[in-house]
Amino acid sequence: AQTVTQSQPEMSVQEAETVTLSCTYDTSESNYYLFWYKQPPSRQMILVIRQEAYKQQNATENRFSVNFQKAAKSFSLKISDSQLGDTAMYFCAFMALNNAGNMLTFGGGTRLMVKP
Amino acid sequence: DSGVTQTPKHLITATGQRVTLRCSPRSGDLSVYWYQQSLDQGLQFLIQYYNGEERAKGNILERFSAQQFPDLHSELNLSSLELGDSALYFCASRPWGSGAYNEQFFGPGTRLTVL
Repeated sequence: AQTVTQSQPEMSVQEAETVTLSCTYDTSESNYYLFWYKQPPSRQMILVIRQEAYKQQNATENRFSVNFQKAAKSFSLKISDSQLGDTAMYFCAFMALNNAGNMLTFGGGTRLMVKP
Repeated sequence: DSGVTQTPKHLITATGQRVTLRCSPRSGDLSVYWYQQSLDQGLQFLIQYYNGEERAKGNILERFSAQQFPDLHSELNLSSLELGDSALYFCASRPWGSGAYNEQFFGPGTRLTVL
């Protein structure tokens, strides 16, 4: 079974600054994906960024980038030029690519507040 | 808009009752996942269906059941409801095949309140 840990329950950042959210995971799987999902006050789950474990290059999506350290089983999210609309809960999630269903295992979440 | 629809948006009911939550996946997606988000348990996987068949089970209570119909919509049935079943229930669908990026698309959720 997989576990995902987000050690920062809450964080805050000033608008336009950079913030990094931490995530570690534990698995014996060799083939998997990692994701960051954003959940704003509307409660909708929105995919922010994905990382395939076999890719060494860190994924980037505009202001969002990850630092994927496979050996350390670490997957942090960096948000650059933070905007008020980035205020949300952020969930790190793991998905194994096997025949067991490919469900998502989520961390406990980090509540991010962007301050003006 | 993810393309996944869930009804109803809100549901308020009493302990001991039974409710049915409905999910319509994105057009062409064969796989449907159900997740529960509660204050004490966080976000957890309940059950998955693929093209009408149960594919995987997570922490789903015996009082809960689900099915996926030939038109690929899915229903989650919750019975003998308890206060602790109050939660946000998400449905997600996933495309299948190569190049699918393995992304799950989430519906807006159904908020269940058990009084």
